[in-house]
Amino acid sequence: EVQLLESGGGLVQPGGSLRLSCVASGFTLRNYAMSWVRQAPGKGLEWVSAISGSDERTFYTDSVKGRFTISRDSSENTLTLQMNSLTSADTAVYYCVKAWTQTNMVLEHWGQGTLITVSS
Amino acid sequence: EVVLTQSPATLSLSPGERATLSCRASESVDKYLAWFQQKPGQAPRLLIYDASNRATGIPARFSGSGSGTDFTLAISSLEPEDFAVYYCQQRKTWPPLTFGGGTKVELK
Repeated sequence: EVQLLESGGGLVQPGGSLRLSCVASGFTLRNYAMSWVRQAPGKGLEWVSAISGSDERTFYTDSVKGRFTISRDSSENTLTLQMNSLTSADTAVYYCVKAWTQTNMVLEHWGQGTLITVSS
Repeated sequence: EVVLTQSPATLSLSPGERATLSCRASESVDKYLAWFQQKPGQAPRLLIYDASNRATGIPARFSGSGSGTDFTLAISSLEPEDFAVYYCQQRKTWPPLTFGGGTKVELK
């Protein structure tokens, strides 16, 4: 059974940094593309970043380019999102999402999410 | 980027009624459109992928149709557990992957 467990959320001051982790079980992370999708309080879904399967190409939405870094630790079967220079606009629940294949971005399985609050 | 516009924003219906949700893309996404259901406090759940294919475990009362720029999610007979927010999402042209703004199906 596929399971995705996010952690690392919390309260951070504007300009601060946070590192999210997503521990995957039931499948081998490097064989699938993975994404982070966020949802601001009371708002809709917004795709943030993705990493492809074996070749580890990375992709970002414009608003986080240069501030966020997605990566994968195959030995730990863990996906991470390093978030720097955070602003209030980054306040959201962040979901770790498994895609269907290495490149096919059908967002098949979602974690339960972790809440990031950027506030002073 | 491909903009997805969902309508209506809110749909007020009773159990047993048919729900019809619309998603319009700003440019053609071929068949590469998915639908998700989200209940309060829960993660989204994949319902339909590639416009018309039900995901694993999704009941047959959910169906998707359309191609190009106009898509529809239909729920043939609403069950109590179907009252939720529904999002469409395209993967034809990315990055970025984009989502529609959502349609809330609420109890009338």
